[in-house]
Amino acid sequence: EVQLVQSGAEAKKPGQSLKISCQGSGYNFANYWVAWVRQMPGKGLEWMGFIYPVDSDTRYNPSFEGQVTISVDKSTDTAYLQWARLQASDTATYYCARRGRISGMYVVDVWGQGTTVTVSS
Amino acid sequence: EIVMTQSPATLSVSPGDTVTLSCRASQSISNGLAWYLQKTGQPPKLLIYAASNRAPGVPDRFSGSGSGTEFTLTISTLQSEDFAVYYCQQYRTWPPALTFGGGTKVEIK
Repeated sequence: EVQLVQSGAEAKKPGQSLKISCQGSGYNFANYWVAWVRQMPGKGLEWMGFIYPVDSDTRYNPSFEGQVTISVDKSTDTAYLQWARLQASDTATYYCARRGRISGMYVVDVWGQGTTVTVSS
Repeated sequence: EIVMTQSPATLSVSPGDTVTLSCRASQSISNGLAWYLQKTGQPPKLLIYAASNRAPGVPDRFSGSGSGTEFTLTISTLQSEDFAVYYCQQYRTWPPALTFGGGTKVEIK
């Protein structure tokens, strides 16, 4: 079964750092782009960026560039999303997702279960 | 930057109804559009890709159409499990990028 499993919920204070993870299984993780998507409480979905595990090629949504860092560890089939200094406005659920192919067409087809990050003093 | 606009924001309908959700792109995206369903506390689930292709395992009461800038998702004979939020998503092949619409909530009247 193809799946992405994310790390558990986090409660942090403003100014702290954080790194959350997304581990793939059931497929050749290295050959598929992985996306990160933010969903603030009660709001819609926002694409943050993509990373390609083979060479760590990373593409950010300009709205998130410089605010977060996306990375990957091919040896453990795991992608990461990290913050150097959290703010209350980073409170959200974060999803990772795979860009797969169906009938030769690219599509974001598999999603992790989400990681809820709460930032509060 | 492409902007995706969904309408209406909320649809109040009854089980058994047929509904049509709309999604408009600010510029032509050919057929590079997907539709997702999201229930509270769950990740999005892929319904439609390439504007009109049902994802594996998706019931045939879900159908997508459109190209260019205007797209629709039709749900025939609404079932209780279909009450959720629906998002359209534009995807650019290269460099890879995604843009989501704001969502349409389908609620029970």
